[in-house]
Amino acid sequence: DIVMTQSPDSLAVSLGERATITCKSSQSLLYSSNNKNYLAWYQQKPGQPPKLLIYWASTRESGVPDRFSGSESGTDFALTISSLQPEDVAVYYCQQYHRTPYTFGQGTKLEIK
Amino acid sequence: QITLRESGPTLVKPTETLTLTCTFSGFSLSTTGVAVGWIRQPPGKALEWVGNIYWDDDTRYSPSLKTRLKITRDTSKNQVVLTLTNMDTVDTGTYFCARDWGSAALDFWGQGTMVTVSS
Repeated sequence: DIVMTQSPDSLAVSLGERATITCKSSQSLLYSSNNKNYLAWYQQKPGQPPKLLIYWASTRESGVPDRFSGSESGTDFALTISSLQPEDVAVYYCQQYHRTPYTFGQGTKLEIK
Repeated sequence: QITLRESGPTLVKPTETLTLTCTFSGFSLSTTGVAVGWIRQPPGKALEWVGNIYWDDDTRYSPSLKTRLKITRDTSKNQVVLTLTNMDTVDTGTYFCARDWGSAALDFWGQGTMVTVSS
């Protein structure tokens, strides 16, 4: 199975500041047919289902604010929130969908400092 | 508008069989490339992929669950059914179904249903 390792486990950032969460995969997530990394980021607020933010490592889902961005370098991935807003408090997960079994990171809890 | 909704028992006893239904609308499971997936989440813990059923009726399961798991579909009713046998307390958690669009990952999710395994 592909192992997804997120860091940090928790993060406290001041409002308006930048927040960055990283995710490392144990294997390549790159599909050679389209040169895309099959890596997604989700946001989960308490009592709610996960919400897709980013797919293909850096493509923002429709309706997601542009302060959310994804980046990639080999098997290292990052989710960046450029200017933290109160509604961004949540747990964030990365997920590989390159092959089954799909696997998720352990989650990063983002709070306001 | 795409929606998914999970339904089933909230409490099952150890060794019993869990049957959950995902009823969806706004897309077809007959469309090439589409799948419906099940994902679960123990209380306070991370998400765990359970399995998928695809537009061509192919299924893929988590290796840790495959001996107890079956996912089927009723295309005419727009439903996907998860069956998990020999339930244990470690199977307690919220079970979500989601549309898997292949390239775009799990893009629409149901609200989830909490299942407790207890005698």
